[in-house]
Formats: sequence, C-alpha cells, structure tokens
Amino acid sequence: GESVGLHLPTLSVQEGDNSIINCAYSNSASDYFIWYKQESGKGPQFIIDIRSNMDKRQGQRVTVLLNKTVKHLSLQIAATQPGDSAVYFCAENMEGGSNYKLTFGKGTLLTVNP
Amino acid sequence: DTEVTQTPKHLVMGMTNKKSLKCEQHMGHRAMYWYKQKAKKPPELMFVYSYEKLSINESVPSRFSPECPNSSLLNLHLHALQPEDSALYLCASSQGAGWNSPLHFGNGTRLTVT
Repeated sequence: GESVGLHLPTLSVQEGDNSIINCAYSNSASDYFIWYKQESGKGPQFIIDIRSNMDKRQGQRVTVLLNKTVKHLSLQIAATQPGDSAVYFCAENMEGGSNYKLTFGKGTLLTVNP
Repeated sequence: DTEVTQTPKHLVMGMTNKKSLKCEQHMGHRAMYWYKQKAKKPPELMFVYSYEKLSINESVPSRFSPECPNSSLLNLHLHALQPEDSALYLCASSQGAGWNSPLHFGNGTRLTVT
C-alpha cells in the first residue's frame, strides 16, 4: 500500500540551530500536505500546509519544501527553541475531490537541548 | 487552548460499560472527524462526517458508534469495548471535507478500558 513515512524517527538539536525534519510520500496523487506538532498530552497542532502546485511555503520561523519529483516533503524550523520540542507529523490528503482522508506519517521526535 | 473541545479528558470504563465521548466546535466548520492514537504512533482515521452525514467509516468495529447531532457537535458512543481499544481519541474539524484545508484537533480523550 501507499503510505507517508519519515526518514528520521528522532532528531536532537541545540537551541538556536536550524532543524530539518524530512518526510517521504509514495502517493503521487496526493495534492495537499500538512505539518503538525504534537506536544505531550495534547492534540496535533497545525503548523503549515502546502498544496501540490507549490514548491515552497514560509510561515513564522518555519518553511515547508515540497519536491514532487522525488516525493519528498521537509519542514525547516529556524532558530529552534526549547518550546519546539515535540513530535512532528507530516500528513497527506491521499484522495482528492469529495473524499478527504488525511493520513499521517510515523512522526519525528524533536528534542531541543539548551 | 484549542477551538475544538473534547470531554471528558480522561475516561476509565469496563468492558460491559456504555459511555460516550463528546466533541464541540464553533468555528463554523462543516466536516468533523474521529481519530484514534496509540502511544508513540500517528493518529489513525476512524470516521469522517461531512455536512452532518457520515462520509467515511474506516472499517471501524461496531462497538464504536459515531453520531453528529448538528454541525457543531460530534459524539462517539462506546459499548462492549476491549482493553486493546485503550488509546487517545482525537476529534478534529475542518472547513469542509471536500476542501484542502487543515484539520483542527482537540486535545483528546484518554480512554482506558479495564
């Protein structure tokens, strides 16, 4: 079957460094991608999204890059802070049209060391 | 705080009990979702409601029964659950199930089946 996966299950960075979290997807029909942050004891929190007609999108301290050629998605966090420590999930809408099935990747645990 | 409110936050129930999980949103969203999340795993889609009608059931056992009384409320009725059903149950909403818009999650109900 087709699925969303992540290259690195854990990532440890120093405070102030930039972080890059990667995600591979295999469904070429997926047209919408989202990054979520989940802190312990909380639900997933929306960070940023990108549609398949875009290659890059920037938010506050975050950038999402989409490479459709190699089916790769990444989340870049600038000047990582201790509050960024969480599990990060990429998610894709594997079906377009009237069906909206948002499927999550395995997740990456980001730890920020002070 | 999230704009999707779930109650209760924690629930312990026996295998013969009947209980309900509740979810409420007032963002005017027309699609609502139930996800199940086991520890250290990504959320897994259970049900999707679009305009108060069930549009997706991911082959969920009948001991889980969803209900959407109106566009702001979503319930999940539980009956004769098994210990392996213990998990975090997440509710989410989005503008519309046919639109590429992010899901907004509540903080979940932590369910323990004894």
